Amino acid sequence: GAVVSQHPSRVICKSGTSVKIECRSLDFQATTMFWYRQFPKQSLMLMATSNEGSKATYEQGVEKDKFLINHASLTLSTLTVTSAHPEDSSFYICSARNGVTGELFFGEGSRLTVL
Amino acid sequence: AQKVTQAQTEISVVEKEDVTLDCVYETRDTTYYLFWYKQPPSGELVFLIRRNSFDEQNEISGRYSWNFQKSTSSFNFTITASQVVDSAVYFCALSEQGAQKLVFGQGTRLTINP
Repeated sequence: GAVVSQHPSRVICKSGTSVKIECRSLDFQATTMFWYRQFPKQSLMLMATSNEGSKATYEQGVEKDKFLINHASLTLSTLTVTSAHPEDSSFYICSARNGVTGELFFGEGSRLTVL
Repeated sequence: AQKVTQAQTEISVVEKEDVTLDCVYETRDTTYYLFWYKQPPSGELVFLIRRNSFDEQNEISGRYSWNFQKSTSSFNFTITASQVVDSAVYFCALSEQGAQKLVFGQGTRLTINP
């Protein structure tokens, strides 16, 4: 079964609202989690690296005030898309690194549609 | 800087044919990791293989095989006797030691026709 769970798997929201996506490691502690965005028929692009207990490191071109990342515990990271607009519609995927083994696991992804 | 190139955007073959997906990478590190993932229409990423830069042995897992050649910076993936269920987008990815994050190629959309 999945060892990294994302919720919700699908979300539709109105333009201007904020949406929170959760990424949980189910049976291991993840000191580092990563958030990727994938537009239709495109590759995965890293948005930010999230380290437990510290501020996320954002990739160039990613607005930190728009995509708020919180990694408050060793098993949970959240991505909040603030004031969402239709161009934010995308597939968001998280990955979590097992702090002990170093293995990397991906969540199932969350498809965001902003109307 | 690290970069992964999958030159084949789309491949379409008939079932039972063999098919090879190409992957070429760039990195300045001597220690790095290469990955292949499968992304079916449902969207989740399915891990297929991880190979470190010091292990150039070819790998075979059932109908899947991988050819890692440092001399040409390539990590190609071959599916033997393809099946319709193999239809998906396949991503090659690179991780440099210490960087932790993955850099993905553009992906190859593989369609296996019955």
